[in-house]
Amino acid sequence: EPEVTQTPSHQVTQMGQEVILRCVPISNHLYFYWYRQILGQKVEFLVSFYNNEISEKSEIFDDQFSVERPDGSNFTLKIRSTKLEDSAMYFCASPQGIRTEAFFGQGTRLTVV
Amino acid sequence: QKEVEQDPGPLSVPEGAIVSLNCTYSNSAFQYFMWYRQYSRKGPELLMYTYSSGNKEDGRFTAQVDKSSKYISLFIRDSQPSDSATYLCAMGGGGADGLTFGKGTHLIIQP
Repeated sequence: EPEVTQTPSHQVTQMGQEVILRCVPISNHLYFYWYRQILGQKVEFLVSFYNNEISEKSEIFDDQFSVERPDGSNFTLKIRSTKLEDSAMYFCASPQGIRTEAFFGQGTRLTVV
Repeated sequence: QKEVEQDPGPLSVPEGAIVSLNCTYSNSAFQYFMWYRQYSRKGPELLMYTYSSGNKEDGRFTAQVDKSSKYISLFIRDSQPSDSATYLCAMGGGGADGLTFGKGTHLIIQP
């Protein structure tokens, strides 16, 4: 199965600090997504990214969030000023197109203290 | 409003049984459907992808979609203890607005 790689696997940060979560999507895929899963809750869509710009974003994805593709392979999610309620698993997903199979990374567990 | 309903379980069955997992949805804009398996604190692992109504089989897994009833199912034959996990249904529409997930069913296969 194609592999999506996420780093770090676990990050602990203090409230108010900035964090950057990293993803290496599948190399020939065109769309990149970030999802969030708060412990015990549903996986929730945050944002989709295509052709170096945001395609869609959910109401969760407010001004404290941003996404970038700083080079040809990495894809990042930045949370500018973390809050306690940002504690969750964050998943990067890489489908080939907008209606195809979506492969998920193993996630970054973010703990805000 | 997009909504996907899935019984969270737990669903406990003996080894070798046929397992049936289901989701219902309300938004007729959903066009494609996936089933994922998730272990605790891990990423969702894609099991099945279907685009149209009907059945799709892959090994011990069969995915079934009934768009007229807005109902999807995943069947697991000859269930094994290693199948114990949380099973997530997910579905998407025609745009780039990502998948909408069910809450997941926690499945336990008893040896």
